[in-house]
Amino acid sequence: SQQGEEDPQALSIQEGENATMNCSYKTSINNLQWYRQNSGRGLVHLILIRSNEREKHSGRLRVTLDTSKKSSSLLITASRAADTASYFCATRSQGAQKLVFGQGTRLTINP
Amino acid sequence: GAVVSQHPSRVICKSGTSVKIECRSLDFQATTMFWYRQFPKQSLMLMATSNEGSKATYEQGVEKDKFLINHASLTLSTLTVTSAHPEDSSFYICSGDRRTSTDTQYFGPGTRLTVL
Repeated sequence: SQQGEEDPQALSIQEGENATMNCSYKTSINNLQWYRQNSGRGLVHLILIRSNEREKHSGRLRVTLDTSKKSSSLLITASRAADTASYFCATRSQGAQKLVFGQGTRLTINP
Repeated sequence: GAVVSQHPSRVICKSGTSVKIECRSLDFQATTMFWYRQFPKQSLMLMATSNEGSKATYEQGVEKDKFLINHASLTLSTLTVTSAHPEDSSFYICSGDRRTSTDTQYFGPGTRLTVL
């Protein structure tokens, strides 16, 4: 399978805590993107990090990329109940049109 | 942000019938549109890549005669599930690349197909 792997598959934390999700992939990439999906809905783009970048921030989100290990992490700080969703990483290879999605992490924030 | 719509959002049909799902980019031109399938609690699986004005490129294992894709304009792509069977029941999601930037795909809200 070309899909990347994400861990954990499921994560349940208390509101206010930080949530960290990891993504590993198999091929060289042009960029890596993180998406959020609420149950039964479409995907919302969160953040894109290019292969020559190591870290990126957007609000409460922090993404890191380690191309030598072919891995990325998504950190959500000060989690809120509204952050409850599935989170997917997706990679785009150089010259490719399509995205390859990871298996996703189901995040539950408990009030 | 760029908005993608899908219609219908939910559809229930009888086995053997055909169902058409529309995907529209509302405020941008999508050079390329993608169709995904998602089973419960699983990730998105790419079915096909559709470039405007040309035939779709299907992923391995996806039957092109069963899942007909048309991308007639830069703002509209359609997926027709022909002779649907219960195993075709799934969540179908489309996305589009902006013509001016292909880094990010913008996703539609999805269509829940139930085949009885």
